[in-house]
Amino acid sequence: NAGVIQTPRHKVTGKGQEATLWCEPISGHSAVFWYRQTIVQGLEFLTYFRNQAPIDDSGMPKERFSAQMPNQSHSTLKIQSTQPQDSAVYLCASSYIKNTEVFFGKGTRLTVV
Amino acid sequence: SQLAEENSWALSVHEGESVTVNCSYKTSITALQWYRQKSGKGPAQLILIRSNEREKRNGRLRATLDTSSQSSSLSITATRCEDTAVYFCATRGADRLTFGKGTQLIIQP
Repeated sequence: NAGVIQTPRHKVTGKGQEATLWCEPISGHSAVFWYRQTIVQGLEFLTYFRNQAPIDDSGMPKERFSAQMPNQSHSTLKIQSTQPQDSAVYLCASSYIKNTEVFFGKGTRLTVV
Repeated sequence: SQLAEENSWALSVHEGESVTVNCSYKTSITALQWYRQKSGKGPAQLILIRSNEREKRNGRLRATLDTSSQSSSLSITATRCEDTAVYFCATRGADRLTFGKGTQLIIQP
């Protein structure tokens, strides 16, 4: 079990460019979460999928951010027209069902210059 | 406002001492989880305590949950330098896991 795999580990984009972050959840897990972590805001919930269906995207910024889960083995978080304030560590996590342990990946550090 | 929050930004103790991190939350929960995050890593769950449980142990760790006061604590005994990390409490409602801002715990030699 390799755990939750996130790629790339580090990404630098220029302001206005697009960034796509990838997540491979643990095999068999039906829940996939995306979080954003900064010093100021801490761990912020972005979005949640259950059995590949989007369940709660209330934490996603309304513009420029989108997440998909085309199959049970991967999810993507896409940020269009990146801005310096998007710089953060983006964490993906997965779990079986509610009230079970949630496993986090190591995160993708996005830097927008 | 945060649905869950730890009561201290930072704590520092000497190796071998015991330490307690406290957390308060503002919503009904099905479970509360304690996580630890070391530098460069994602958070890792330490203890999951369900709403019908009052105490849970995991080795040197002990978590308590008081649903009437909506509070929880995580105690670490016989601390080690490798316990240095940020500790988070997180509440899980229907689906979403909501984290507090975290407490930086430093274990000094």
